[in-house]
Amino acid sequence: GIQVEQSPPDLILQEGANSTLRCNFSDSVNNLQWFHQNPWGQLINLFYIPSGTKQNGRLSATTVATERYSLLYISSSQTTDSGVYFCAVSGLGGGNKLTFGTGTQLKVEL
Amino acid sequence: NAGVMQNPRHLVRRRGQEARLRCSPMKGHSHVYWYRQLPEEGLKFMVYLQKENIIDESGMPKERFSAEFPKEGPSILRIQQVVRGDSAAYFCASSPARGLADTQYFGPGTRLTVL
Repeated sequence: GIQVEQSPPDLILQEGANSTLRCNFSDSVNNLQWFHQNPWGQLINLFYIPSGTKQNGRLSATTVATERYSLLYISSSQTTDSGVYFCAVSGLGGGNKLTFGTGTQLKVEL
Repeated sequence: NAGVMQNPRHLVRRRGQEARLRCSPMKGHSHVYWYRQLPEEGLKFMVYLQKENIIDESGMPKERFSAEFPKEGPSILRIQQVVRGDSAAYFCASSPARGLADTQYFGPGTRLTVL
């Protein structure tokens, strides 16, 4: 099946800093989503982005499908951004089931 | 438009009991997915259902686990004779019936603890 790798595994930022999270995948995809799992365990949809670029406030994402990677940008980070960020994909031959990466654990400090 | 609803949010069972987890998809969504997040492991796909049909159950354990999505009512994930290793967060997601590649919206999860 399709493989998903995320980097870095852990990240500590000072409030106000910017960061880039990366997601590499091993095959062509028809779905790619970014999620934020907050400290209460809830999975929050950030982006549906199998290709192209999207922005939502301080967050933006870019997927380069031909090179099999996606980037999530967080600008002016805040303590409420803390949590785990997951990338999840479904491969062209894999139906609609999402395969999740192992996540990036982000901690934003004052 | 209410989001995906799951209940209960927390469930405690003793070994050998049955656990029933419920999921109501977003309004207008007819595709439901179940995922499991074990401690120290990532989120893993379990099963994909449409109304009255199991489409893909390739992630379901072979024994004790079953899922349904009846014509009326919520989707149910049923775990019989629970063991401590079943302790996990179980998430349900739904998507509209527009085709395969569509956004999946996740519920808040059910945290199952097996004593």
